[in-house]
Amino acid sequence: GQNIDQPTEMTATEGAIVQINCTYQTSGFNGLFWYQQHAGEAPTFLSYNVLDGLEEKGRFSSFLSRSKGYSYLLLKELQMKDSASYLCAVRDAGGATNKLIFGTGTLLAVQP
Amino acid sequence: GAVVSQHPSRVICKSGTSVKIECRSLDFQATTMFWYRQFPKQSLMLMATSNEGSKATYEQGVEKDKFLINHASLTLSTLTVTSAHPEDSSFYICSARSAGVGWSMSSYEQYFGPGTRLTVT
Repeated sequence: GQNIDQPTEMTATEGAIVQINCTYQTSGFNGLFWYQQHAGEAPTFLSYNVLDGLEEKGRFSSFLSRSKGYSYLLLKELQMKDSASYLCAVRDAGGATNKLIFGTGTLLAVQP
Repeated sequence: GAVVSQHPSRVICKSGTSVKIECRSLDFQATTMFWYRQFPKQSLMLMATSNEGSKATYEQGVEKDKFLINHASLTLSTLTVTSAHPEDSSFYICSARSAGVGWSMSSYEQYFGPGTRLTVT
């Protein structure tokens, strides 16, 4: 079966660093995505990992360990506007569609 | 960058009526489009995958006769919620994948539409 887990909620302080974890068990694997979603809006792409290691993109970094079925999103220098849901998604390698399977999402609240 | 639009952005309908939601890729050809549903404070649940010119593939538990999907062209897919009921009230989001070449993320990245808020009264 497909199972992607994230913490439901997290709280962090403006200016700090926060790490959002994601563990997955999927029948296939063809990459892992992180998306940011503000309430009532569509998800926006943050990062993509297909090989093990760390991908850095400005204030955001994402790490992947395929052997452990584990990823994290690291947000540095937190800003109030970073308050949003963060979705981990695994691209399924099965079939021809390479569909994205989304995790439960983590609601991050950034406090002053 | 790739842009996906959805119409309408919000719709309110009465129970028992049908509602059509359009998803368009504005500046690229989308060989595959995905339809998701998202209930409040929950993640995106894939409903179906549609490929241009062929029947949609529905996820387990999604009624294909209730949620009609048509992917008539490389830039347009429609989702029709037939005989809508209050429990169908949700945020419906489409995404489109471009027909890329070679092994690169851009070949497979999905671009999301802004979503459609459906309220059935």
